[in-house]
Amino acid sequence: GDQVEQSPSALSLHEGTGSALRCNFTTTMRAVQWFQQNSRGSLINLFYLASGTKENGRLKSTFNSKESYSTLHIRDAQLEDSGTYFCAAETEGADRLTFGKGTQLIIQP
Amino acid sequence: GPKVLQIPSHQIIDMGQMVTLNCDPVSNHLYFYWYKQILGQQMEFLVNFYNGKVMEKSKLFKDQFSVERPDGSYFTLKIQPTALEDSAVYFCASSLGLGVEQYFGPGTRLTVL
Repeated sequence: GDQVEQSPSALSLHEGTGSALRCNFTTTMRAVQWFQQNSRGSLINLFYLASGTKENGRLKSTFNSKESYSTLHIRDAQLEDSGTYFCAAETEGADRLTFGKGTQLIIQP
Repeated sequence: GPKVLQIPSHQIIDMGQMVTLNCDPVSNHLYFYWYKQILGQQMEFLVNFYNGKVMEKSKLFKDQFSVERPDGSYFTLKIQPTALEDSAVYFCASSLGLGVEQYFGPGTRLTVL
């Protein structure tokens, strides 16, 4: 099965609201990255975490390696937040990123 | 943030031809990667590369694939010969070291006819 299980697969929010995306891991991960893939297909780095919580503007991410999950919280959503969000994690002992299947986020006016 | 460049952005070729995808990684980075994404879906690891050698590759990295970075120039992914199932967007990434943040290029969309 997949090592990185991302949910939800799709999410629609109204401007100004917020929600959380989640990734569960079926094996021990040493770090996680979160990306936004925009309409042109480019991957934008949002966060890199080896543990704990980071915040950047309206985004906040947490990685709990012991409980094998990571979350990305979006608050006060704006139209430009639309896109597909991916989490990707590094397995212990491997130098590669294993990606989740992504969350397609649509922000509505 | 750090920029990874990829050339070309799009490439259309006939099945059986050779193609080379070029990546200009972040200037002081030492580790380089290729990933494959089909139809905007899940991103899959292909290979990583350090100090002139392939360190790790996945089962998607077929015998027809090869990578190199001659004399600090572009980091390249060559496919010879190409097959229809090679159609995808190929992303290059680089990182300063092991176990640190990877930065991705904008991708090369490869269409094999």
